[in-house]
Amino acid sequence: DAGVIQSPRHEVTEMGQEVTLRCKPISGHDYLFWYRQTMMRGLELLIYFNNNVPIDDSGMPEDRFSAKMPNASFSTLKIQPSEPRDSAVYFCASTSSGRGAETQYFGPGTRLLVL
Amino acid sequence: TQLLEQSPQFLSIQEGENLTVYCNSSSVFSSLQWYRQEPGEGPVLLVTVVTGGEVKKLKRLTFQFGDARKDSSLHITAAQPGDTGLYLCALRKTSYDKVIFGPGTSLSVIP
Repeated sequence: DAGVIQSPRHEVTEMGQEVTLRCKPISGHDYLFWYRQTMMRGLELLIYFNNNVPIDDSGMPEDRFSAKMPNASFSTLKIQPSEPRDSAVYFCASTSSGRGAETQYFGPGTRLLVL
Repeated sequence: TQLLEQSPQFLSIQEGENLTVYCNSSSVFSSLQWYRQEPGEGPVLLVTVVTGGEVKKLKRLTFQFGDARKDSSLHITAAQPGDTGLYLCALRKTSYDKVIFGPGTSLSVIP
């Protein structure tokens, strides 16, 4: 079975541009998480969804960040406008509320560089 | 004050050596997890511990959960280059809380 799929794997953009990161969770999983990882701050939870509904977005750094989950198989994280300090690796993870709910399955990440 | 601390931050050892890394929290937690993240990849779950004093083994890796449920250790016996990676501990304060990750220990095993 395919794991969590993220695209693009790498993104280089200029300050002020809009960036959209995409995620396809594992089929059947009802929780989806967006994380950001940097050397300075480690792995931080930005937002998570349950059954496509945002549950906790307290980790979203500011209004420039937004996330959507229009259906159970797709989510986006958008940054508009992007800034150099947004440079990081962004991970999507999913899990199921059933047996094994404690296991989060991570995608390979999107490496974002904002110049 | 960071909720989770990990030590050491960096560790570089020779193949065949033993090592222990630590995870400490200022709070009691319901469960603790250890993940390993290889360069260019996402974290992968190694183990979940839920009972104070619990010890779990995964081949050459031994995980221990402190009796007070505020700390944990990961011991690797006879480290191999394939053990190289970032070891992250993650905790959940209650069953209903989101998972919080520690800053990680970056391990490098030199052949």
